[in-house]
Amino acid sequence: EAAVTQSPRNKVAVTGGKVTLSCNQTNNHNNMYWYRQDTGHGLRLIHYSYGAGSTEKGDIPDGYKASRPSQENFSLILELATPSQTSVYFCASGDADTQYFGPGTRLLVL
Amino acid sequence: GDSVTQTEGLVTLTKGLPVMLNCTYQTTYSPFLFWYVQHLNEAPKLLLKSSTDNKRTEHQGFYATLHKSSSSFHLQKSSVQLSDSALYFCALSEPNYNVLYFGSGTKLTVEP
Repeated sequence: EAAVTQSPRNKVAVTGGKVTLSCNQTNNHNNMYWYRQDTGHGLRLIHYSYGAGSTEKGDIPDGYKASRPSQENFSLILELATPSQTSVYFCASGDADTQYFGPGTRLLVL
Repeated sequence: GDSVTQTEGLVTLTKGLPVMLNCTYQTTYSPFLFWYVQHLNEAPKLLLKSSTDNKRTEHQGFYATLHKSSSSFHLQKSSVQLSDSALYFCALSEPNYNVLYFGSGTKLTVEP
């Protein structure tokens, strides 16, 4: 089965601080995704990538940057974290029509 | 743009009863439809998927039929179990565009 890992699993950050969420996949999938999950909103796409060196904006990219330095790694960067970015963040990798999700990162911004 | 609507936020049922979770969608393309399931404190996992009109697809006792005429992809099970308690997401993607659009999710709680 597909293997997607995320680090850290839990993070407490201060308002205005920089936060980096990391994702690694061992499936050799070209596509990787970052979502946030909030009650009542389901999963919302922040950024995605079609391969190393590429990043694309999803539905809610404001306040977030992404980096795909290699096929295996995809990072989500919050340059200036705000309390509204408190959420659970999921990374996923995918082939043609199926996405495989990591275990999630709980981020609390105080 | 593309969108997915799940009308029930919460569904509570007694074990052994049937369930149907509603999913309708809007798109100008011929879409792929998916159901993902997320158990408490776990990652979402694919439950089933379809792109074929009027063909029933099944997995782990759950089934759904894509009806393009009504833009629907409802999830059903004939007899729910306690272990089916979870959050269920409907999602769609356009052909050759590997981005998923998720509905807001339905929380299913099965009681003894």
